Formats: sequence, C-alpha cells, structure tokens
Amino acid sequence: EVQLAESGGGWVQPGGSLRLSCAASGFRFMNYWMTWVRQAPGKGLEWVANIRHDGSDKYYVDSVKGRFTISRDNAKNSLYLHMNSLRVEDTAVYYCARDDEFYDYSSGTYRPSHFDYWGRGTLVTVSS
Amino acid sequence: QSALTQPASVSGSPGQSITISCTGTSSDVGSFNLVSWYQQHPGKAPKLMLFEDNKRPSGVSDRFSGSKSGNTASLTISGLQAEDEADYYCCSYAGGDTHVFGSGTKVTVL
Repeated sequence: EVQLAESGGGWVQPGGSLRLSCAASGFRFMNYWMTWVRQAPGKGLEWVANIRHDGSDKYYVDSVKGRFTISRDNAKNSLYLHMNSLRVEDTAVYYCARDDEFYDYSSGTYRPSHFDYWGRGTLVTVSS
Repeated sequence: QSALTQPASVSGSPGQSITISCTGTSSDVGSFNLVSWYQQHPGKAPKLMLFEDNKRPSGVSDRFSGSKSGNTASLTISGLQAEDEADYYCCSYAGGDTHVFGSGTKVTVL
C-alpha cells in the first residue's frame, strides 16, 4: 500500500526557516517524480514544487523561487522541502504527493503528469 | 502561472448530472492532454478522480467523466449522490515540468 507521511510543520515567525519531510513507503520511490502542494486556510490548492526521480531537475512556483528548496534522499525514501525567508502568506497545509508521469516522445523523457497519491499534510503557520 | 478558472460553486439534486468547467490557456489546458481532477472533502487530503483529461483511476466510479474542448476542460458527475458533496479542483500540466491548479469548485447536493 502506498503511503506518504509529512512531518516538520509548526509555527514560525516571519523571516524564519522550516524543513518539511515526507516519508514514502509501499512503492519504488526512486522511480517517481515527487511534488509539494499547499493549501492556505480556506483557500484552494497550489502546486509548489516538484523534483525528478534522481533529483537532477527541480521546479518551483514563482512565489517561492529563491526561498524554498525541494530535495530527496532515495536511499531513505524521503522527500524534503526546505523553506527559508518565510512569509505570512506561506501559512498553509503542505501536502506531498506522488507525481505519476507520461512519456514525452518529442524529448524522449518522462514528465510529471498527475498526483495519484497524497499524504495527509502538515500545517505550517507563519505569524508574529 | 495563473490559476485555472473554475466556477466557485455548482449544485444539483440527487440523481441529476452536473458539470464543472476549468478554463486555462493555450499554454496549459489547451496544449496538453494532461488535465487531472481532484476531490477534496473537508479536512481531508485531495483524491485523484480523473487524469489525462478523461481517464479514471482504479476504484473511481464511472459516474465521473471528463472532456475537453480547446482551453476548457470539464468534469461531469452523473447520478449525483450525497457523498459527492465536496470541493473539486482541476489541474493542468503547464509545460516546463510545472503544474497549475484551478481555483476550485464547491459542489453542493441539494
């Protein structure tokens, strides 16, 4: 059974830092893109970042570029989100999700397609 | 990276069919057959309902179907049931290995 479990959320002051973790089990972690999605209180879902199977490529939504870093440790079946210079507007539940993929014949590579499994999320509160 | 546009709310009576639209641009929805739909009940994690515009994962009821025309994708729920009351989000591959979600639609079963 595929399972994703986030941890590391909590309260932090504006300008502070936090590292989120996501422990994966039940599938071959190294074979999948992985993604972070967030949801501010009472708001919709927002794609935050993703990372290729081997960590060689990472992509971010504009609002977190330069502040957040996504990483993974395939030996530990773990995904991370390092968050620096946190702002009040970063307050949200952060979900990790497995990013299933499609084969792009034009480039000969696998690209992220959709999120087939999700964790339960971890709440990050940025407030003074 | 602008959010895709969805109606804020859609409602229907049990047994009826409803359709939720998801409008993007030629850079996302209109460029790829990669729209997915997620159902989210209050306090719960999202659940994948459709992917690649109209494919259903194993275990998802065939009452859920998807379609697309140009830059607008649609999710149709037929035979509406009380358990379908939830928030629904579309999401599209947006090129450059990035994604963009829709603004979300609250479905109410009257």
